[in-house]
Amino acid sequence: QQPVQSPQAVILREGEDAVINCSSSKALYSVHWYRQKHGEAPIFLMILLKGGEQKGHDKISASFNEKKQQSSLYLTASQLSYSGTYFCGTGGSNYKLTFGKGTLLTVNP
Amino acid sequence: DVKVTQSSRYLVKRTGEKVFLECVQDMDHENMFWYRQDPGLGLRLIYFSYDVKMKEKGDIPEGYSVSREKKERFSLILESASTNQTSMYLCASKSSTGELFFGEGSRLTVL
Repeated sequence: QQPVQSPQAVILREGEDAVINCSSSKALYSVHWYRQKHGEAPIFLMILLKGGEQKGHDKISASFNEKKQQSSLYLTASQLSYSGTYFCGTGGSNYKLTFGKGTLLTVNP
Repeated sequence: DVKVTQSSRYLVKRTGEKVFLECVQDMDHENMFWYRQDPGLGLRLIYFSYDVKMKEKGDIPEGYSVSREKKERFSLILESASTNQTSMYLCASKSSTGELFFGEGSRLTVL
């Protein structure tokens, strides 16, 4: 079953912040975040493992609340290059990795 | 750099034809995946494999089968293509750190 992402779409001006949420009805062992630009393959952003850790990558960070089976991706001081579709992927106890429907992020000048 | 190569970027097939989509990775990854991507539906998992000759159904396996005879190659097979299988197909392999590397995708049109 696909994790649920919200919002479905968000429009920002350059420099604004955004949060993308991901929730699952199943127990999670890992949460993965990817960004895909139009016509290109998804690119890895980060992976969070069971344990409630938070990771950061430049001005993009994420949290993982395993009790609530939720993860959030935080984009601060957005740049034009952040535009794209963001996918969260959730991993269970086996090797399966299931992605959500995506969140379309548009950053305007 | 890790490279995941999908043999065909664009294919046009007729209903009922057998279709093979090939995916090759060059980093000795054990786990490989096939997803299909449709507008508004995100990436949906068709099949995955965690070792040679080992395969597991994903969320939408109906109408598909897979083959993993060698570690570097993971093939997706449509035994009898139907129009509702028109889609973008993405192959990925997973590193030991959990990162997925995707291929460029194969856009299949079934007429």
